[in-house]
Amino acid sequence: KAGVTQTPRYLIKTRGQQVTLSCSPISGHRSVSWYQQTPGQGLQFLFEYFSETQRNKGNFPGRFSGRQFSNSRSEMNVSTLELGDSALYLCASSLEGGDIDTQYFGPGTRLTVL
Amino acid sequence: KQEVTQIPAALSVPEGENLVLNCSFTDSAIYNLQWFRQDPGKGLTSLLLIQSSQREQTSGRLNASLDKSSGRSTLYIAASQPGDSATYLCAVHYGQNFVFGPGTRLSVLP
Repeated sequence: KAGVTQTPRYLIKTRGQQVTLSCSPISGHRSVSWYQQTPGQGLQFLFEYFSETQRNKGNFPGRFSGRQFSNSRSEMNVSTLELGDSALYLCASSLEGGDIDTQYFGPGTRLTVL
Repeated sequence: KQEVTQIPAALSVPEGENLVLNCSFTDSAIYNLQWFRQDPGKGLTSLLLIQSSQREQTSGRLNASLDKSSGRSTLYIAASQPGDSATYLCAVHYGQNFVFGPGTRLSVLP
């Protein structure tokens, strides 16, 4: 069974631009979560999607948004990029996001904002 | 505020030693707790998941325990190997959000 895939793996943008990252979950998984990882703040939860609906949301500004498609694939968008948005963005999928469900992570997209 | 801390921040041990990594959380109303390892520049690999109602889980040389009342979890690694070198993170699932600890960076020396 294929794992979680993320595209692109690396991205370089300039301040003010916007970016879209993609995540394909493990087949059969319906929950997709997004995380931001930086050296200073560690891993922080962005949001979770389940059945095309945002179910949970972390404490990030509205510039960070996402969506999920009917095949459970998810995209994350960051508008008006700032230098501080440079980070490794990870997505994770699980069957239903419940208390017995293991999260499986993708390799991440490394975003550099210049 | 829901916070997760991990001690120690870094650990260096000779091959073959048994070791314990610690994770503490401030809010005991958890869904589950999961231990991960992360290799440099890579994503996270799930090691063990402990449900709220469980006390421990084992997988090979790894054993994770959970004490909700004291807000603690430990990851025990037996007979450490150089391939165990990585950063180990614990993550607490609170239902509406996930909170990660800062990680313990482990180096196992041959």
